Amino acid sequence: AQSVTQLGSHVSVSEGALVLLRCNYSSSVPPYLFWYVQYPNQGLQLLLKYTTGATLVKGINGFEAEFKKSETSFHLTKPSAHMSDAAEYFCAVTSGLGGNQFYFGTGTSLTVIP
Amino acid sequence: NAGVTQTPKFQVLKTGQSMTLQCAQDMNHNSMYWYRQDPGMGLRLIYYSASEGTTDKGEVPNGYNVSRLNKREFSLRLESAAPSQTSVYFCASSGTPPGLGTRIGDNEQFFGPGTRLTVL
Repeated sequence: AQSVTQLGSHVSVSEGALVLLRCNYSSSVPPYLFWYVQYPNQGLQLLLKYTTGATLVKGINGFEAEFKKSETSFHLTKPSAHMSDAAEYFCAVTSGLGGNQFYFGTGTSLTVIP
Repeated sequence: NAGVTQTPKFQVLKTGQSMTLQCAQDMNHNSMYWYRQDPGMGLRLIYYSASEGTTDKGEVPNGYNVSRLNKREFSLRLESAAPSQTSVYFCASSGTPPGLGTRIGDNEQFFGPGTRLTVL
């Protein structure tokens, strides 16, 4: 069984401040992990993904995430928030098996304060 | 490439009415998915099709049916709409080949723009 927990349904940061969005996963097999971003009234867009290899992965728009197996975490960070980062962020996990089903967290809404 | 397309973008139904949401992808993907998104609940899988000719239930299949018409198209049908089915519906696709017995989870899912459905 697989699941994802995103701590904090709403996060607010000041423009230029560090962004940290938390994601913890549960998986009985080695996971593949993803972060998606959703802008208002749009579909989901891939930010970054971890499959194998380097545990620190870089994505689009300056975001990065680190896979920490010992902590079962895949937190998303960005050193300096921009107004355009305001959106909903979803963490997801899959094993790649069973039709590549994804299991999504409940999402974190990021507000950037000018 | 248009990616994943969905029609309609918006729909209002009365309780008991039926409708079909259409989804098509032009990326030659094998797997397709239907999700619903509700506030505070993230995305929940309704049905998926790992390959052409197969469909399987997801987390919340009750009240829905699906058809994988061909490799490109995957439709979602509400036979008798209920207010609880008011939601935003997303279709997605991914390129995971079926039945290889290998873990190919590095194929992300690509999402359509969504259909906003209101059932009165």
